[in-house]
Amino acid sequence: QSVLTQPPSVSGAPGQRVTISCTGSSSNIGAGYDVHWYQQLPGTAPKLLIYGNSNRPSGVPDRFSGSKSGTSASLAITGLQAEDEADYYCQSYDSSLSGRDVVFGGGTKLTVL
Amino acid sequence: QVTLRESGPALVKPTQTLTLTCTFSGFSLSTSGMCVSWIRQPPGKALEWLALIDWDDDKYYSTSLKTRLTISKDTSKNQVVLTMTNMDPVDTATYYCARISHTSHCLWDAFDIWGQGTMVTVSS
Repeated sequence: QSVLTQPPSVSGAPGQRVTISCTGSSSNIGAGYDVHWYQQLPGTAPKLLIYGNSNRPSGVPDRFSGSKSGTSASLAITGLQAEDEADYYCQSYDSSLSGRDVVFGGGTKLTVL
Repeated sequence: QVTLRESGPALVKPTQTLTLTCTFSGFSLSTSGMCVSWIRQPPGKALEWLALIDWDDDKYYSTSLKTRLTISKDTSKNQVVLTMTNMDPVDTATYYCARISHTSHCLWDAFDIWGQGTMVTVSS
């Protein structure tokens, strides 16, 4: 069971907007640690999509955006395209009595209808 | 251009020790702010962080796996090595190494470049 909770799947038609949530707690996202997002196309390594909650690396289309509020974060994809079909993971840092770890969400599979 | 490439055995037996090497180019792990980490992904499952080493040779490990992991670096060879002891079939996964170019702390920052991964199967 992942420390960060994501919906297992989301879907949308081409051109639509979808959002993927990442819910944490007071020991990770709520403690102020940044959230990062990765896109993993089938059979490939993850690729950095959003860093520092809302920043896009060079080359990532502005159709992808990130936000953070309280103990949660969200990834939004507008103008959905077939090539966006992939798994998406959020990542943060968790510091609690039980340890200090880099943590990932369980991943969300995006299906473009 | 920054690249990372993982190498190691594709098959290990239960109880054996796994040794993986990450060979990288395009940056130096002796440069302040640079870090390399290992992450794994069992087939069909989520990513799991394993370990991280920084430019200053500070090492960080997953709380749940720290008794089995050792990470080290050879700056002259541009390599980071991960060893995992007492391998079990549940350790079957694709193992990735990734770079962090930190702005605050490597444990808090994003993995900006990933290797292609190497699949390790644990079976007798």
